[in-house]
Amino acid sequence: AQSVAQPEDQVNVAEGNPLTVKCTYSVSGNPYLFWYVQYPNRGLQFLLKYITGDNLVKGSYGFEAEFNKSQTSFHLKKPSALVSDSALYFCAVRDMYLNDYKLSFGAGTTVTVRA
Amino acid sequence: DTEVTQTPKHLVMGMTNKKSLKCEQHMGHRAMYWYKQKAKKPPELMFVYSYEKLSINESVPSRFSPECPNSSLLNLHLHALQPEDSALYLCASSQAPDAAYEQYFGPGTRLTVT
Repeated sequence: AQSVAQPEDQVNVAEGNPLTVKCTYSVSGNPYLFWYVQYPNRGLQFLLKYITGDNLVKGSYGFEAEFNKSQTSFHLKKPSALVSDSALYFCAVRDMYLNDYKLSFGAGTTVTVRA
Repeated sequence: DTEVTQTPKHLVMGMTNKKSLKCEQHMGHRAMYWYKQKAKKPPELMFVYSYEKLSINESVPSRFSPECPNSSLLNLHLHALQPEDSALYLCASSQAPDAAYEQYFGPGTRLTVT
């Protein structure tokens, strides 16, 4: 089985401050981890993924995420948030060894960046 | 080009209507997906096509009928829908159905069933 938890429904930060969106996962095997962002009335946009290798992954729009196997976490970070980063963020996981085509999403975290 | 296109953007249909949603990608991707998404919720997987064959049907009611005419196109045929089927319907594609490949999503079709 595979699952993702995003413990915060909402994250509020001031523009220019660091942004962190938390994600923890559970898989039977090894995880492939993804972050997506969804702006209002739009589809999901792929931000970054962890497959293997360096635990720090860099993605689009200045976002990065750190894979921590011991804490089963994959938190999304941005050093300096912009108002335009306000959106709904989803963490997702697939188990490397499951061949069921399914991407398991977290419940989502709404990020609001105030000017 | 990482674009997945969906038409129409909005659709209002009665419970007795028949309509279709269309999805297209020209990235050479061999896996395509239909998702249903309610407001502020994660997408729910409906169907997966892998190399143009239906691989996953997540116990979706028969009033939703998917079709994959070729490797670039994915349709979702709708018939006798219920008001609770109103949602954002998202199409996605990935290079292959393997777990390592990220999915690229279209902008969605906002469906309202009256």
